[in-house]
Amino acid sequence: GAVVSQHPSRVICKSGTSVKIECRSLDFQATTMFWYRQFPKQSLMLMATSNEGSKATYEQGVEKDKFLINHASLTLSTLTVTSAHPEDSSFYICSARRGGVGQPQHFGDGTRLSIL
Amino acid sequence: KNEVEQSPQNLTAQEGEFITINCSYSVGISALHWLQQHPGGGIVSLFMLSSGKKKHGRLIATINIQEKHSSLHITASHPRDSAVYICAVVGGSQGNLIFGKGTKLSVKP
Repeated sequence: GAVVSQHPSRVICKSGTSVKIECRSLDFQATTMFWYRQFPKQSLMLMATSNEGSKATYEQGVEKDKFLINHASLTLSTLTVTSAHPEDSSFYICSARRGGVGQPQHFGDGTRLSIL
Repeated sequence: KNEVEQSPQNLTAQEGEFITINCSYSVGISALHWLQQHPGGGIVSLFMLSSGKKKHGRLIATINIQEKHSSLHITASHPRDSAVYICAVVGGSQGNLIFGKGTKLSVKP
């Protein structure tokens, strides 16, 4: 149980394109979803936290107008990278949690985004 | 100084060896995850613990809250254990994870 599906797994696109990444909890209701980013040889870093039906909370330095997060249902959150540029190339991964802080997070397989 | 420090950064072992990866943290936490990340990037949560010790197959995780230290042990290591192992602590008001930089483990046959 506790499967999280993230799609697509890999995206290569031109600069200026907007890219949408989906994160779905397949067999549980995710009250909270997290979006993380990992640059090469770096730690995973939290970008934003989203609770179903609420606006996402963004970490310092993450532009909310560039990284649009929608958590419209208990099983789906989307991250849209708007007008992507080469510096946005990174590994993006979501996690989902059912319940409060004491519950485990379950990870998607990640999306490798390459902007040319 | 990072809030979560792991050691070693890289580890090469022979098949069958006992492996230990260490994690120290400097922030207050409610729990700690040990995660496994494979070359494709996907992450699997191995353990979530807030006290004591947990065991799953050949994997053992321990945590000492007072000393702010956790260890991940792998007994009878196997080449399929080769991966990056990441320590992540549950912090922040919404329980987001703060990650260590990971330990890259290579187990040679």
